[in-house]
Amino acid sequence: EAGVTQSPTHLIKTRGQQVTLRCSPISGHTSVYWYQQALGLGLQFLLWYDEGEERNRGNFPPRFSGRQFPNYSSELNVNALELEDSALYLCASSKRWGSSYEQYFGPGTRLTVT
Amino acid sequence: GQSLEQPSEVTAVEGAIVQINCTYQTSGFYGLSWYQQHDGGAPTFLSYNALDGLEETGRFSSFLSRSDSYGYLLLQELQMKDSASYFCAVRDSNKGKLIFGQGTELSVKP
Repeated sequence: EAGVTQSPTHLIKTRGQQVTLRCSPISGHTSVYWYQQALGLGLQFLLWYDEGEERNRGNFPPRFSGRQFPNYSSELNVNALELEDSALYLCASSKRWGSSYEQYFGPGTRLTVT
Repeated sequence: GQSLEQPSEVTAVEGAIVQINCTYQTSGFYGLSWYQQHDGGAPTFLSYNALDGLEETGRFSSFLSRSDSYGYLLLQELQMKDSASYFCAVRDSNKGKLIFGQGTELSVKP
């Protein structure tokens, strides 16, 4: 069984640009979660999608947005990039929101904003 | 507000037992999860407690006391490969959301 995949693995962008990160969940998983992990810090919850709907979002500005497609894959978009957006962006999936306590994480996308 | 507290660093020797504590303050609570993350890697699920008591999975055990808003992860027979960061995470009243602690960096010495 393939795990959660994310693309790209690394990305370098300039302040003010826009970026799109992609995530494919484990087959059969309908919930997708996005987290931001700044260097040496914990995971900050960004967004949660289930069955194509945004179910919850963390304390991030509206320039962080995303969507979930009918095949349950997901995109995270970040507009007007700022230096402090530099972080590892992790995507996770679970069978359904009821199983959210057990999330399977992808390898992450390392975003560097210069 | 919601907050989780866990020690930032713990050091132990190979073969020993170590306990990583986690206290939480949340508006709602459904359970406590634990995750392991090796340097530069993806977090991996270790255990989940929804009810009070001890859950054992091999060398790892996790404990929860809902009345004390407290839990811990117990690692026995420590191995060098256990050196990693360990995160507790609360499943809050919005069941789909996990709130993570800042993580405890465990260093296992020979």
